Amino acid sequence: NAGVTQTPKFRVLKTGQSMTLLCAQDMNHEYMYWYRQDPGMGLRLIHYSVGEGTTAKGEVPDGYNVSRLKKQNFLLGLESAAPSQTSVYFCASGRGAWKTQYFGPGTRLLVL
Amino acid sequence: QQQVKQSPQSLIVQKGGISIINCAYENTAFDYFPWYQQFPGKGPALLIAIRPDVSEKKEGRFTISFNKSAKQFSLHIMDSQPGDSATYFCAASNNSGAGSYQLTFGKGTKLSVIP
Repeated sequence: NAGVTQTPKFRVLKTGQSMTLLCAQDMNHEYMYWYRQDPGMGLRLIHYSVGEGTTAKGEVPDGYNVSRLKKQNFLLGLESAAPSQTSVYFCASGRGAWKTQYFGPGTRLLVL
Repeated sequence: QQQVKQSPQSLIVQKGGISIINCAYENTAFDYFPWYQQFPGKGPALLIAIRPDVSEKKEGRFTISFNKSAKQFSLHIMDSQPGDSATYFCAASNNSGAGSYQLTFGKGTKLSVIP
């Protein structure tokens, strides 16, 4: 099993550009999450999904959109990138309450 | 606002010593308290977790101590090794009602174990 994979690993964007980060999991998990990690800030939840076709906002959702068209995939979109969105983005998946969240390797995004 | 406060920010321990990381929370509805370990360039991985019906959980050299009345929990790493050098995050979640299945993370503790 590959677990949780993220594409791309690294990306540089100019302010105002758009992009989509892809997360895929092969563990048949219902729940998927997108976090951002910034120095000294820990991991902050952007959006999450409790099943195919459903999404919900987390702690820091502004400037991001998500879609979960297939159970195994969770996409994070930036419509108009801003320097404040420079971060490392982690996707995770899990089986829900009281269960382990499995994290991907991360995507490092630099917005100039 | 849900918060989990973690201390210290960084910790240096000699090989063989005990590493202690503390967390405090505010939301009494939290009912799951995991610790995640993250090595540089990698995603976090679950290390150990506890639910509030027990006061302590031990797995190998790693122990969580939980104090429900004080709303605090801590991670103890016994016989710390250089391979334990990583960033550790405490987290908490409530698994009913609004915000279910969401983990709220502390800001992390960077542990360095020196030979």
